[in-house]
Amino acid sequence: KQEVTQIPAALSVPEGENLVLNCSFTDSAIYNLQWFRQDPGKGLTSLLLIQSSQREQTSGRLNASLDKSSGRSTLYIAASQPGDSATYLCAAETGGFKTIFGAGTRLFVKA
Amino acid sequence: DTAVSQTPKYLVTQMGNDKSIKCEQNLGHDTMYWYKQDSKKFLKIMFSYNNKELIINETVPNRFSPKSPDKAHLNLHINSLELGDSAVYFCASSQDGAGFTEAFFGQGTRLTVV
Repeated sequence: KQEVTQIPAALSVPEGENLVLNCSFTDSAIYNLQWFRQDPGKGLTSLLLIQSSQREQTSGRLNASLDKSSGRSTLYIAASQPGDSATYLCAAETGGFKTIFGAGTRLFVKA
Repeated sequence: DTAVSQTPKYLVTQMGNDKSIKCEQNLGHDTMYWYKQDSKKFLKIMFSYNNKELIINETVPNRFSPKSPDKAHLNLHINSLELGDSAVYFCASSQDGAGFTEAFFGQGTRLTVV
């Protein structure tokens, strides 16, 4: 049974700092891994999708990597800004129309 | 132009009532989902539909009944609501369920059972 874990649960950093959010999954047989952002009281916004055959994806200041063999993904945020404050969720699609979410990392970027 | 829209956004109701949440996607996607986010913000899949066919029912009480009248809609009907049903329910869609395309989420419906 696939389990997805995110560390840390919460993170507070000063503006401008580079940071890494971690995601681990127990079953390496995934179709893809997706990172989402959730703002308080809002829905989820897709940030990056990494296919199982890919190693990383980049979008602006965000870079996500995937290492299936070790069951890990990281989301790297460069030059963090207060507007980056949100909860970041990773989700592993295990096929069969099933996606398992981590509990999220709450990020607070201080101005 | 909202890609995945849910209604209502907020729903407060008494125990024992029956309620429905509607979801529509205008992306032309084949697969739609319902997720439940509990008080600890943990998201868990409830149902997956592909081309109007139920694919996944994840140990959800049979008081929850999804209905997909067409590919663009997946509604969630809940009978005999209980306090523990209070949560935020998210609808989502993706082009396929095989992992090749990203999922898009609605804004969520906050259900409060009193």
